[in-house]
Amino acid sequence: DTEVTQTPKHLVMGMTNKKSLKCEQHMGHRAMYWYKQKAKKPPELMFVYSYEKLSINESVPSRFSPECPNSSLLNLHLHALQPEDSALYLCASSQPGLAGGGTDTQYFGPGTRLTVL
Amino acid sequence: AQSVTQLGSHVSVSEGALVLLRCNYSSSVPPYLFWYVQYPNQGLQLLLKYTTGATLVKGINGFEAEFKKSETSFHLTKPSAHMSDAAEYFCAVSFNQAGTALIFGKGTTLSVSS
Repeated sequence: DTEVTQTPKHLVMGMTNKKSLKCEQHMGHRAMYWYKQKAKKPPELMFVYSYEKLSINESVPSRFSPECPNSSLLNLHLHALQPEDSALYLCASSQPGLAGGGTDTQYFGPGTRLTVL
Repeated sequence: AQSVTQLGSHVSVSEGALVLLRCNYSSSVPPYLFWYVQYPNQGLQLLLKYTTGATLVKGINGFEAEFKKSETSFHLTKPSAHMSDAAEYFCAVSFNQAGTALIFGKGTTLSVSS
């Protein structure tokens, strides 16, 4: 089973709202990722967790706050977002590579389509 | 610096024709290479990957790719296109020794006409 699940599928929020995106995998992977994808563009890496510890933060604004409560679950907490944050947010998982960066095959979830009004 | 280049942002083929999507990379260390497909409003699905060993890699849906170190290429092919192949295709590279995550190409949109 190579399934990564994400909820919700769609999310519409105002700029003052607080919401969370959820990602789950049961493949025993110990590296999990958040990506942001704009239309007609490749995914952009936001965060990497390796063994439940944040290993990469690609200078993401603090209005995005990741959390990895356990090895199967990854959350992305959203607060005070801007309209330009509207995008498809993808979660992925893999086994960690050397240096904790996570370089084995990544399996992606279906994404959460976020719209910020 | 490591990078991935996909030649052709848009490729159009007729149903039954050969599909060729080009990917070149630059790297100072041996790469791991991947092709992903993305259908509209969906996540990325792994088509195939090369890590070590046989340089001709077969993937799902009849796709295959060949790692050519001398040409720093990993082109994706399919002998006969099907309408259902219309999607966005991303080539990606990772470099295990550096501990970095995936580096994606800009993507190629494949259109298939009947």
